Amino acid sequence: DVVMTQTPLSSPVTLGQPASISCRSSQSLVHSNGNTYLSWLQQRPGQPPRLLIYQISNRFSGVPDRFSGSGAGTDFTLKISRVEAEDVGVYYCMQATQFPTFGQGTKLEIK
Amino acid sequence: EVQLVESGGALVQPGGSLRLSCAASGITFSTYWMSWVRQAPGKGLEWVGRIKQDGSEKYYADSVKGRFTISRDNAKNLLYLQMNSLRAEDTAVYYCASGGWNLEWWGQGTLVTVSS
Repeated sequence: DVVMTQTPLSSPVTLGQPASISCRSSQSLVHSNGNTYLSWLQQRPGQPPRLLIYQISNRFSGVPDRFSGSGAGTDFTLKISRVEAEDVGVYYCMQATQFPTFGQGTKLEIK
Repeated sequence: EVQLVESGGALVQPGGSLRLSCAASGITFSTYWMSWVRQAPGKGLEWVGRIKQDGSEKYYADSVKGRFTISRDNAKNLLYLQMNSLRAEDTAVYYCASGGWNLEWWGQGTLVTVSS
């Protein structure tokens, strides 16, 4: 299985300030078809997960442009340019290049 | 508006069986791979399995292989998860999601509790 490791596991952030979450995979996520199936999901309290970013850097429908994804190979980053109150929740990276596995989750909270 | 609505969650005894359903609307269901993902109480996300558009390919996590079966009815826009030989560690909220690699749309989930 591909192991996904997120850092930090908890991130207190001031409203309006940026936030960044890292995700590292135990092996390259480049698929044989050339795509890299690395996604970022947001789970607000009491809600189901929601897709934010797919294939490293593509924002999903309706996702604000303050969310961005980057990276390649085994190292990936989710950035929020200016944190808003509605961004509170747990963020997961997920790889689907092999059978899907998720990171442990990063809890984003407001200072 | 895309809606995925899971149902069928319940309290079941160890060794028992349960079938979950996921009703899809707002998407052309028959064109999507579909997936099941679960989340144990207070824990992270775990992929359960996925099924191809026409049902001809199915893949499962090792933790459920041989016990769980995914199926679909494209005429009714329904996805199913048949769960047999349930164990305490299968206790979780079960989500259906559209897609096999990019899990685009998610349902609200249905709770399965395995306990005597």
